[in-house]
Amino acid sequence: AQRVTQPEKLLSVFKGAPVELKCNYSYSGSPELFWYVQYSRQRLQLLLRHISRESIKGFTADLNKGETSFHLKKPFAQEEDSAMYYCALSATDSWGKLQFGAGTQVVVTP
Amino acid sequence: EPEVTQTPSHQVTQMGQEVILRCVPISNHLYFYWYRQILGQKVEFLVSFYNNEISEKSEIFDDQFSVERPDGSNFTLKIRSTKLEDSAMYFCASSYETQYFGPGTRLLVL
Repeated sequence: AQRVTQPEKLLSVFKGAPVELKCNYSYSGSPELFWYVQYSRQRLQLLLRHISRESIKGFTADLNKGETSFHLKKPFAQEEDSAMYYCALSATDSWGKLQFGAGTQVVVTP
Repeated sequence: EPEVTQTPSHQVTQMGQEVILRCVPISNHLYFYWYRQILGQKVEFLVSFYNNEISEKSEIFDDQFSVERPDGSNFTLKIRSTKLEDSAMYFCASSYETQYFGPGTRLLVL
């Protein structure tokens, strides 16, 4: 069975400081990994996916198959980054079903 | 930009009553999903739907739940006899490749 673990429930950082959100997964096959973000009172929206290998809003995430991790990083946090972040996994044999982590609440203070 | 819409935004019902949650997916999408999030818990997959049939369902999605795409545009989730533990935020999602989420319906069962 697949599992996604986000060990931090809350991450509080100062504006301009680096931020890293941890995500570990367990899956025997080749997963597809995603980061979704939910800003206050808004819907879940895709932030990035590992296969696109792009940087969105200054965030990057690298899939490390050896460590089964997909940590999300941003070198300089901004106040507008305050949100709930969810790591999610899609297995190759599923119909796009997303398995979510518990989420990490990021608070960026000035 | 097209969006997934959901109605109602909030629903309060008595235990044992039937509820129907409605979703309008993005028009050219082929895959449809329902997820739920009980307050304070992670987002959980309920069911995926493709080519007018269920492609995968979770153990949460028991006989009390059903989904339908009656008219080629709406995608509904029906709970036949609601229980207190069905109180949650229900999210609809649709995808062609990337899953786009609706804003959710908050269901409260009294």
